[in-house]
Amino acid sequence: AQTVTQSQPEMSVQEAETVTLSCTYDTSENNYYLFWYKQPPSRQMILVIRQEAYKQQNATENRFSVNFQKAAKSFSLKISDSQLGDTAMYFCAFTTISGAGSYQLTFGKGTKLSVIP
Amino acid sequence: NAGVMQNPRHLVRRRGQEARLRCSPMKGHSHVYWYRQLPEEGLKFMVYLQKENIIDESGMPKERFSAEFPKEGPSILRIQQVVRGDSAAYFCASSPRAGVDTQYFGPGTRLTVL
Repeated sequence: AQTVTQSQPEMSVQEAETVTLSCTYDTSENNYYLFWYKQPPSRQMILVIRQEAYKQQNATENRFSVNFQKAAKSFSLKISDSQLGDTAMYFCAFTTISGAGSYQLTFGKGTKLSVIP
Repeated sequence: NAGVMQNPRHLVRRRGQEARLRCSPMKGHSHVYWYRQLPEEGLKFMVYLQKENIIDESGMPKERFSAEFPKEGPSILRIQQVVRGDSAAYFCASSPRAGVDTQYFGPGTRLTVL
């Protein structure tokens, strides 16, 4: 079974600074995708960034980038120039084909990020 | 292009009643996932459906819960004889095709059982 671990329940960062959120996962699969989703107080799940396991290059989306270490099964999210609107729960998620033929997401428990003005 | 729609956004039921949660996927998407989020927890997979077919219901409780995705209309998650432990946020996500792909989430339905 796949598992996703986020070891930081809460973090805070000063506005305009950089913060890194950690995520590790466990799988025996070779083909999979990793995601970071953001859940602001509105509770809407918003895709932040995704990474295909077969790609060695780390994904970037504007101020968001990942450090994907496949051998270590690590997938951290770096947020640069933090903004107040980045305050949210951040969930790391993993997907691969399951035995039943679905591509369900497995989520970590989340990291609550607070950006301080 | 409208995103994933869920209704109602909030639903209050008394113990023993039925809850029906609706999900309309994004236009062109024929794959729907349902997830449940308990307080202070991440989302947990419940069921995966394609049009008129349940593909994977391994995350769904064996009793009282059912899901459908008819040829026409939204996907429905149905909870019969609700109990307090069913109180949670229920999220629907859709994707355009089978295979590993991005899932786009709706705003969720928050179910409260009194």
